[in-house]
Amino acid sequence: DGGITQSPKYLFRKEGQNVTLSCEQNLNHDAMYWYRQDPGQGLRLIYYSQIVNDFQKGDIAEGYSVSREKKESFPLTVTSAQKNPTAFYLCASRTGGMETQYFGPGTRLLVL
Amino acid sequence: GQNIDQPTEMTATEGAIVQINCTYQTSGFNGLFWYQQHAGEAPTFLSYNVLDGLEEKGRFSSFLSRSKGYSYLLLKELQMKDSASYLCAVVTSGTYKYIFGTGTRLKVLA
Repeated sequence: DGGITQSPKYLFRKEGQNVTLSCEQNLNHDAMYWYRQDPGQGLRLIYYSQIVNDFQKGDIAEGYSVSREKKESFPLTVTSAQKNPTAFYLCASRTGGMETQYFGPGTRLLVL
Repeated sequence: GQNIDQPTEMTATEGAIVQINCTYQTSGFNGLFWYQQHAGEAPTFLSYNVLDGLEEKGRFSSFLSRSKGYSYLLLKELQMKDSASYLCAVVTSGTYKYIFGTGTRLKVLA
């Protein structure tokens, strides 16, 4: 089946630790996005990538890093510099033009 | 700056009609999307407007007025499963960035 997968579903981070959230898509989409959602809030853009080997900062990029070495994959690293990482993280992808984004199931990150 | 406003919460009765409004002020406009999000799940696509007017899709319709920076999502014949958050998102010109509102939490009562 075509779609977007995110793993793990739940992730626990200790203070001072970097963690990486996985996002894979087999939809052959060019653009990929990472969002953060806090309780009762909308989605805030962390990073996005329009093509392989290129990505741009979103509105809340501080404390996060990404890579786009393959079209199918767009992993997000939450670094120790992100002081309040507890949130629901959503990955999305989109084909070219004015098409909708399709979202993965999300990863819930909790700090211990 | 970029700003998208939606009501925080709405309540309606099963079988009724509800209208969820969205107003926006963004630097450029390339289209407006509506998504449905059930608690703890990912958003799913409902509708897309780029030209003024009404787009109808079964029980769901969405309207856009670009001159007023205004859209609404109309849900007819409400069902209990429609209890969810509804997110309005605007795509800005040139960047293909999606700016999301905070969402409207809809409760459908029996």
